[in-house]
Amino acid sequence: DTAVSQTPKYLVTQMGNDKSIKCEQNLGHDTMYWYKQDSKKFLKIMFSYNNKELIINETVPNRFSPKSPDKAHLNLHINSLELGDSAVYFCASSQAGGGYGYTFGSGTRLTVV
Amino acid sequence: AQTVTQSQPEMSVQEAETVTLSCTYDTSESDYYLFWYKQPPSRQMILVIRQEAYKQQNATENRFSVNFQKAAKSFSLKISDSQLGDAAMYFCAYRSAVAQKLVFGQGTRLTINP
Repeated sequence: DTAVSQTPKYLVTQMGNDKSIKCEQNLGHDTMYWYKQDSKKFLKIMFSYNNKELIINETVPNRFSPKSPDKAHLNLHINSLELGDSAVYFCASSQAGGGYGYTFGSGTRLTVV
Repeated sequence: AQTVTQSQPEMSVQEAETVTLSCTYDTSESDYYLFWYKQPPSRQMILVIRQEAYKQQNATENRFSVNFQKAAKSFSLKISDSQLGDAAMYFCAYRSAVAQKLVFGQGTRLTINP
């Protein structure tokens, strides 16, 4: 069983479209995250949810909206996609407390054309 | 805000030899955790090793060990007996004891020469 699963793994879409990426974890973790990895491989946090509550919201355009229906799921919806949104998006989860590392999903490579 | 710096964009090592990847960080906190993650071409992020700041003893996981220098805010990763499968991007990361956010360095691309 995959611990953190993201779908889809690849997403190619045109500018202006709306798309969603889904994430599910079966580890029983309380906290989930979305990270963006740009073309230079830099990883930057976007959002974090703890038990369905938004706790981290970095400087991200309003076109990005996370949704957490329950603590095992965290989806990312992106409106009006732009070329600059092309990146790899990682979902991750962790137990509460700083001593725990994250468990990452396999990433979604989003290409906007 | 905490920052993590990896000053070596690329490193290479001969198979079976030892290589050390550097990482420095900046924080005003006294309680935190440090991690090294590996990202092979498959894109998967894999936790290699973690270190608690309150522990003086350096963490070790098989061929991977760290040199943690708290006063210098340095956290290097040593890979012994390098194998072809070690080829990957390596990321150093910092996590506060109280905050949820994991802050990453820029990464070091490691190449293993056969």
